[in-house]
Amino acid sequence: EPEVTQTPSHQVTQMGQEVILRCVPISNHLYFYWYRQILGQKVEFLVSFYNNEISEKSEIFDDQFSVERPDGSNFTLKIRSTKLEDSAMYFCASAFAGGRRQHSTDTQYFGPGTRLTVL
Amino acid sequence: QKEVEQNSGPLSVPEGAIASLNCTYSDRGSQSFFWYRQYSGKSPELIMFIYSNGDKEDGRFTAQLNKASQYVSLLIRDSQPSDSATYLCAVNFYNQGGKLIFGQGTELSVKP
Repeated sequence: EPEVTQTPSHQVTQMGQEVILRCVPISNHLYFYWYRQILGQKVEFLVSFYNNEISEKSEIFDDQFSVERPDGSNFTLKIRSTKLEDSAMYFCASAFAGGRRQHSTDTQYFGPGTRLTVL
Repeated sequence: QKEVEQNSGPLSVPEGAIASLNCTYSDRGSQSFFWYRQYSGKSPELIMFIYSNGDKEDGRFTAQLNKASQYVSLLIRDSQPSDSATYLCAVNFYNQGGKLIFGQGTELSVKP
């Protein structure tokens, strides 16, 4: 069964360093997402991406964050200068469709996550 | 501000019982509703989705949606200890890039 994969599973970095989190979405999916979950808190939307551009982003997704689909398979999240409060689980998700209609293909499938620890 | 609310629990039920999980949402523009299960330290795993009023059954799971009351629920029949997890309600809003707004999750504990 196709699945979303993410690397690395755990990333430890020093405050102020840049990190890149990588995701390989399900191959025929067109919509890509990043979410984060701080320990003990709810899953929060960061950004959605379709047709090589951001379609929606949250207040959390400030200038320190960027996303890219550098090739036909990878989808990356870059945090330019990490802060202590960026420590969280980061989940990538993908869907065939993106909320434009009430349809089963809106369903988002999540990767296993990358645990980011900022020291 | 679009909100999705769930009781955080924990909800404790004996093995074989029916577990009932509830979720309310604030925005009538909500389109699709999803239930995910999350084990500790793991990613959300889809259980089922619903977008029409009424009930939708999938095995031991039944989702119920009432758009007039802005309420969605998940029933788990014949609960098993392996069902012990946090259950996340998520709402998808029309023409907002498909983003999901999650509730804080309800922790379910099924006792043998």
